[in-house]
Amino acid sequence: GQNIDQPTEMTATEGAIVQINCTYQTSGFNGLFWYQQHAGEAPTFLSYNVLDGLEEKGRFSSFLSRSKGYSYLLLKELQMKDSASYLCAVRVNRDDKIIFGKGTRLHILP
Amino acid sequence: GAVVSQHPSWVICKSGTSVKIECRSLDFQATTMFWYRQFPKQSLMLMATSNEGSKATYEQGVEKDKFLINHASLTLSTLTVTSAHPEDSSFYICSATIGGKRLNEQFFGPGTRLTVL
Repeated sequence: GQNIDQPTEMTATEGAIVQINCTYQTSGFNGLFWYQQHAGEAPTFLSYNVLDGLEEKGRFSSFLSRSKGYSYLLLKELQMKDSASYLCAVRVNRDDKIIFGKGTRLHILP
Repeated sequence: GAVVSQHPSWVICKSGTSVKIECRSLDFQATTMFWYRQFPKQSLMLMATSNEGSKATYEQGVEKDKFLINHASLTLSTLTVTSAHPEDSSFYICSATIGGKRLNEQFFGPGTRLTVL
């Protein structure tokens, strides 16, 4: 079966840095995604990793280690608007099907 | 670019009726669209993969006769929930892949909230 694990909830302070971890055990691997989802809205794409290493995009960075089945999303200079759920997702096959983790609800405190 | 719309954004229906949800790619052609269901405080569960001009591929445990998917064109896929029951109440979200340089992105519609009374 497919298994994607990430913490259920995290809390951080405005202006700080937070790291959201994700581990996965899937039958195949063809890329890992991070999405942001605000309550009642659809997810929005944040990042994509297929090779080991760090991808940086503004305040957000994503890291992947394929040998460890591990990824993290790093958010810097946290803002109140970053309060949302962050979904880790793995594309298992080349047919584009993506399996989502249960998401991490991030609460930002002033 | 890469905008996906859904209609309706919310719908309330009586138990036993059927509801159709439309998913459109507004400014690109999507050969593949995906349908997800999300219950409160849970993640997205893939229901089916929809390819233009062919039958949808359903995930294990999803009843294909209950959730009818039609992908008649490169810009439109529809999900029909037949004989809806209260347990079908959920947030239904579609997504589409754009291909080309943005092959690795899936673009999501705004979702449709279905409430079955």
